[in-house]
Amino acid sequence: NAGVTQTPKFRVLKTGQSMTLLCAQDMNHEYMYWYRQDPGMGLRLIHYSVGEGTTAKGEVPDGYNVSRLKKQNFLLGLESAAPSQTSVYFCASSSEAGANTGELFFGEGSRLTVL
Amino acid sequence: EDKVVQSPLSLVVHEGDTVTLNCSYEVTNFRSLLWYKQEKKAPTFLFMLTSSGIEKKSGRLSSILDKKELFSILNITATQTGDSAVYLCAVEAPRGGGSEKLVFGKGTKLTVNP
Repeated sequence: NAGVTQTPKFRVLKTGQSMTLLCAQDMNHEYMYWYRQDPGMGLRLIHYSVGEGTTAKGEVPDGYNVSRLKKQNFLLGLESAAPSQTSVYFCASSSEAGANTGELFFGEGSRLTVL
Repeated sequence: EDKVVQSPLSLVVHEGDTVTLNCSYEVTNFRSLLWYKQEKKAPTFLFMLTSSGIEKKSGRLSSILDKKELFSILNITATQTGDSAVYLCAVEAPRGGGSEKLVFGKGTKLTVNP
C-alpha cells in the first residue's frame, strides 16, 4: 500500500521562484494536512483540508497556498519562494475518526532548499 | 500561547537500557496527548492518551498521562537499536470553528548503541 506519497522528495529553488508540492493518499481519507519541520521548532501546521474542495489556514500559512480539487490530492504551492521557506515539508492524512483521535498518516517528507 | 515541551532533547543509551521520555504541556482546553515515532522520515503514530493514570502499552513501549500535573511519559524497556528515532509528543486542542489542532513538541532524539 502506498499510503501517503509526496512529490518531489527534494528540490532546490532560487529566491522568487515558484513551485508546487503534491501529496496523494490512497486511503480515502477526508482530512489532509501540510506541515513543515525545522530544526529546533517541531512540526508546524501550514494549511489543512477537511474534505474535497475545502482548505483552511494552520498556524504558519503565510507565503503558501493550497488546493484540494480531488479528495486524494492536496497541493501546496509557493508562489515566490524565500530562504525562510527552506524546510522539510510533511503531508499527512487522517480519516474523520483519525482526525478526532490524532492518528495521522504521514508522507516521507519533501526537503526544500531556497537559495 | 499553547506550548509542548519535551525533555531531554537527546539521549544516548546502550541496548537493554530502559529510558523515560518526558512531555509537559500548556494548552487551552486539552483534548488528548499523542506520541509519534520518527525514524529517518515519516512520523508514525504510537499512542493517544486522554485520561489520567491509564497506561497505554504496546510491546516494550508504554505511556501514561497526568492531567493534573500536565505531563506524560513514554517508557521504553529493554531498548534495541531499532528504537533509535526522534520521539514526538503532540497535544490536541480546539482550534476554533469546530476543528482541532495538534501542537507538537520539538522531539527527543533517542540513540541506542549496540
